Order: sequence, then C-alpha cells, then structure tokens
Amino acid sequence: ILNVEQSPQSLHVQEGDSTNFTCSFPSSNFYALHWYRWETAKSPEALFVMTLNGDEKKKGRISATLNTKEGYSYLYIKGSQPEDSATYLCAFIRNTGNQFYFGTGTSLTVIP
Amino acid sequence: DVKVTQSSRYLVKRTGEKVFLECVQDMDHENMFWYRQDPGLGLRLIYFSYDVKMKEKGDIPEGYSVSREKKERFSLILESASTNQTSMYLCASWGRAAEAFFGQGTRLTVV
Repeated sequence: ILNVEQSPQSLHVQEGDSTNFTCSFPSSNFYALHWYRWETAKSPEALFVMTLNGDEKKKGRISATLNTKEGYSYLYIKGSQPEDSATYLCAFIRNTGNQFYFGTGTSLTVIP
Repeated sequence: DVKVTQSSRYLVKRTGEKVFLECVQDMDHENMFWYRQDPGLGLRLIYFSYDVKMKEKGDIPEGYSVSREKKERFSLILESASTNQTSMYLCASWGRAAEAFFGQGTRLTVV
C-alpha cells in the first residue's frame, strides 16, 4: 500500500483567516498530483491537476504548489469563507499504473 | 451535465444478500474505480478497471467483485453482504489527461 499523507486532519478557522494544508507523497515514479474539494452531500470536484515540479496553480482565493523531488504539495486558501468548508483531498498518481492513491483528507470548517 | 452516475443514492440490504452497485460514465474514459469511504480512513480503493473486461484489485478487494462488460459501465458486486460492508461507496472515472470525475456516492447499509 502506497502512503499519501495529509495534514492536518482537521482545521477550524475564522472567516477571513488564511490557511494551508500539506500533502506528502512518494518522490519516485511521479505522474501527477490532484487536489479535490469534497463538500458534504456532494461529489468530490477537482481543484487542480499538477504534473510538473515547481508547478503553481491558482483558482480565485485557492492556490497550490508542487515539489515532486521532495514529495509534497501545499494548498493555500486566502481569506477563508464559510463556503470553503469542505474536505480537501489530494491524490497521487504514479507513472507505472493507473491507480489514484488518496490521502485521508483535511476537513476544513470556516466559522462565520 | 452529469458525467458519472451511480445507480442508487441510498441502499439498505440484508446480511447475505447479493448487492449490485452500478456506475456509468459518459466521457469515454478507460479507467474506472470503486472506493469506499469510512470515517477516519479516507478513500480506500476496492477495485479499478483500465479497460473493458480488465480489472485489478485495490487495497481492500475482499468480499467484493467487479464487472466491466462495456466501457461506460463499471459494476461493484457484494457477493454476500455483511454488516462490515456498511459504508459510503464512490465511483470515479478518469481519462488520464486531466482530473477524475466522481459519482454522487451510494450510502449502503447492511442490516
């Protein structure tokens, strides 16, 4: 079983705070790293697909960085809003197969 | 624009029943996956398929089987449901070039 770790497991922040999460994955056989947001009673939806070392992607107030050599990715949320409350999942994909390896997720609660 | 559809949102089955969970995608993706999600354990891969009639075991295949007779449909089968298979089941579809798409999930309760 391949290990993908996310930290923290859960987070409570005040509206307007900025926050960040970490995803750690193996540094060998890298193909891609995905970030997904999973809101309660909905399906997970993709935030970012990252494939190159040093990638930085941004979507509104949310951004992500990727370091494939050391095996980590950061997700940043600037000025958190209540609608950002969700579980954030990262998924590591190897270049030697078609499997997604998900982390256990970071549960974010933004308090108004 | 629904892309991945799971046949049921909620299911209640009795111990020992044979249970079929169906997943259909409309994106012509080669890869399809079945996960279960349990509190504190994240998404765990049960089986995946990379082509019609092709399948590979994931991390927790025991007690499950799958079928992929057509590219768009991937079925998860619980041969004899047990209470420890009570869980949320999530299907996903992936074309390798971009992100995966997920179904809405099936919450299965085995009584």
